[in-house]
Amino acid sequence: GDSVTQMEGPVTLSEEAFLTINCTYTATGYPSLFWYVQYPGEGLQLLLKATKADDKGSNKGFEATYRKETTSFHLEKGSVQVSDSAVYFCALRRAGGTSYGKLTFGQGTILTVHP
Amino acid sequence: EAGVTQFPSHSVIEKGQTVTLRCDPISGHDNLYWYRRVMGKEIKFLLHFVKESKQDESGMPNNRFLAERTGGTYSTLKVQPAELEDSGVYFCASSQDRGRLAVNEQFFGPGTRLTVL
Repeated sequence: GDSVTQMEGPVTLSEEAFLTINCTYTATGYPSLFWYVQYPGEGLQLLLKATKADDKGSNKGFEATYRKETTSFHLEKGSVQVSDSAVYFCALRRAGGTSYGKLTFGQGTILTVHP
Repeated sequence: EAGVTQFPSHSVIEKGQTVTLRCDPISGHDNLYWYRRVMGKEIKFLLHFVKESKQDESGMPNNRFLAERTGGTYSTLKVQPAELEDSGVYFCASSQDRGRLAVNEQFFGPGTRLTVL
């Protein structure tokens, strides 16, 4: 079945440091890929998405590129801020079929950014 | 516009009791989803409603879980009787997907934290 693997956390960085959170997936066909973020006390919010190979999703300074050859969708940000402290989830979704609405998530990565 | 809301935010019950969680989706969203995150692990899909019909309930763990969406508006998820392993955070989400090939954003609620003692 489908699966998503994220790098183990937690990740602790200083403000303005470079961030990478690795994400790889296993799925048949061509799934859409997502990064969701959960800030303390809130629900998950869509951060960015990519729907086909080589697409780059971007939002709020975060980027991730859909790499079909390495089945990866790593999240990057050039300069993190304290306000980026949150839990980040990588996810995939396959269009079509009975389970077309199902998001398959990774285990989440806790990011803490210190001033 | 109001987002997805869930009630209660927290629930603490004893093993063997019954708990009912409620989700109100964004108005006009035909699609409603339930997910669960147990003990800091990955968030797992439970089921998907399209209006009042169950499109996919492949993630429901067992027959102690009953989800309903009468009238295609809000949804409830009942756990009866609750077991220790049911503890976790239950998320609800909704979307405006139209059909199997649409990939529209799922908007999540803040979750209900369920603790079974």
